[in-house]
Amino acid sequence: GDSVTQMEGPVTLSEEAFLTINCTYTATGYPSLFWYVQYPGEGLQLLLKATKADDKGSNKGFEATYRKETTSFHLEKGSVQVSDSAVYFCALRSGGSYIPTFGRGTSLIVHP
Amino acid sequence: GAVVSQHPSWVICKSGTSVKIECRSLDFQATTMFWYRQFPKQSLMLMATSNEGSKATYEQGVEKDKFLINHASLTLSTLTVTSAHPEDSSFYICSARRGAEGETQYFGPGTRLLVL
Repeated sequence: GDSVTQMEGPVTLSEEAFLTINCTYTATGYPSLFWYVQYPGEGLQLLLKATKADDKGSNKGFEATYRKETTSFHLEKGSVQVSDSAVYFCALRSGGSYIPTFGRGTSLIVHP
Repeated sequence: GAVVSQHPSWVICKSGTSVKIECRSLDFQATTMFWYRQFPKQSLMLMATSNEGSKATYEQGVEKDKFLINHASLTLSTLTVTSAHPEDSSFYICSARRGAEGETQYFGPGTRLLVL
């Protein structure tokens, strides 16, 4: 079945540091890939997505590139801010399903 | 925007009691709502899918008599944990799919349940 593997957290960074959160997946066919973010006390929000190989999703300074050859969708940001502190979930959606398969989530803590 | 609320945000109850969690779509009609469960440091696990006016579809391994789901209107779905036990303690998250938008799900903030 489909699965998503994320790096374990928490990831702790200083403000303006470079961020990478690794995500790899296993799926049949050609899934769509997503990153969701959950700020404290709020619901999950879609951060970015990519629907085919080599697509780059981007939003709010975050980027992730759909790498079919390595089955990866790593999340990156060049300069994190304290306000980026949240839990980040990588997810995929296969075929005709509208139900995503989620990774375990990675907590990001950014210190001033 | 599309906002989904959950109530309560957290609840503590005694073993053997039942707990109802509400999920509301505040500014749109949700033809389909989803209930997830999240254990600490685990991914979100889909429990069931509910369509307005029909019975919920439960995922394998989820007890339908234990987790009662009602989706009586296009803006409200409820999850009732019946005869709760400590192992039911978890974080419950709902999401809603707006009309025919397809893949987009809007998530609620979650409800933390602690059963003593």
